[in-house]
Amino acid sequence: AQRVTQPEKLLSVFKGAPVELKCNYSYSGSPELFWYVQYSRQRLQLLLRHISRESIKGFTADLNKGETSFHLKKPFAQEEDSAMYYCALQGAQKLVFGQGTRLTINP
Amino acid sequence: GAGVSQSPSNKVTEKGKDVELRCDPISGHTALYWYRQRLGQGLEFLIYFQGNSAPDKSGLPSDRFSAERTGESVSTLTIQRTQQEDSAVYLCASSLDRPLISPGNTIYFGEGSWLTVV
Repeated sequence: AQRVTQPEKLLSVFKGAPVELKCNYSYSGSPELFWYVQYSRQRLQLLLRHISRESIKGFTADLNKGETSFHLKKPFAQEEDSAMYYCALQGAQKLVFGQGTRLTINP
Repeated sequence: GAGVSQSPSNKVTEKGKDVELRCDPISGHTALYWYRQRLGQGLEFLIYFQGNSAPDKSGLPSDRFSAERTGESVSTLTIQRTQQEDSAVYLCASSLDRPLISPGNTIYFGEGSWLTVV
């Protein structure tokens, strides 16, 4: 079975501080992992995918197969990063999401 | 169309009534997904259509829920005999019919249909 766990429902940090949003997954095959973001009053949208090994808006995420984790990190948080973040896993076909973490950046 | 379109955007219904939610995917997208998001909860997978293959219905919570899709076009999610716990945002999404890791492919979401059962 595919499962994604985001242990923190809420995360609050100060502007300029580092941010880490945790994501753990469970999947017997080779996972494809993603982070999606939903800003206030906007649609859910793709932030980054692990296969690309890219940095988007200063965010990066590294797949750690040993720890079955795909944590999202940013060294210096900005106020515009405040949003809902979802970790997602694509198994055989379907895309399964975690519960989401609401990130608030305090000025 | 320019994006995934869902209707109605808001629906208030009485407990026990049936409701139909509609999703119009992006033209050319053969994969279509339905998710449910209850207040304060994450996205719960409901059903996935991919081209002419049999849909993955593994996420449908009960036999009161069903979904149809004709070809590569509109999909309808039907909830029969609605219950208060069905109150949620129902999100539809579509993508090209290939793995989401493929370059240039991603899943696009609609704005959702807010369902309130009273």
